[in-house]
Amino acid sequence: DGGITQSPKYLFRKEGQNVTLSCEQNLNHDAMYWYRQDPGQGLRLIYYSQIVNDFQKGDIAEGYSVSREKKESFPLTVTSAQKNPTAFYLCASRGQGADSPLHFGNGTRLTVT
Amino acid sequence: GENVEQHPSTLSVQEGDSAVIKCTYSDSASNYFPWYKQELGKRPQLIIDIRSNVGEKKDQRIAVTLNKTAKHFSLHITETQPEDSAVYFCAALLYNQGGKLIFGQGTELSVKP
Repeated sequence: DGGITQSPKYLFRKEGQNVTLSCEQNLNHDAMYWYRQDPGQGLRLIYYSQIVNDFQKGDIAEGYSVSREKKESFPLTVTSAQKNPTAFYLCASRGQGADSPLHFGNGTRLTVT
Repeated sequence: GENVEQHPSTLSVQEGDSAVIKCTYSDSASNYFPWYKQELGKRPQLIIDIRSNVGEKKDQRIAVTLNKTAKHFSLHITETQPEDSAVYFCAALLYNQGGKLIFGQGTELSVKP
């Protein structure tokens, strides 16, 4: 979906370093989400935000942090406290309304060695 | 906590046969149930969705049914084709939790020609 941009596509970091994944949307969506995808485990929710300056923890928030200073942007920081950070990270957004669909970015594959 | 269970994890069918994937959810306040298809290396794409006040929805070869009493919903694909091969995810929106959207574990569908 051209409306959601995640960068970079591939990211490599050394263990112990914090790293920030970028997510920008131009769909004028209020809600934004971060999911982590590992083989055989589906999409697990890390954090989500319904409005600017507000966000909630998802099911696996430990070791991650987010900010929502602008409607268009929802960056995710993977901290050194995250025990297994290597994964595929997907950002998504959706509009208002109970049946507004989720639109995904192309994802960032993070490898920590 | 709330969760979405999806079965089976893998499904293999012959071209032309039907495929059925089932999901159950725990939170009775869930009111929106989308299905996503993810091809290898790509982002998930919405294929069909259903609201809680509807029992069934069809779109060409794809249909979704919802049983709110039993808290389960199913994806039906008829006349399967090799290009239907992908991983399929169900999801449920927890509207009274600030738009939290959680996914099932995924089903890898393989359609053999």
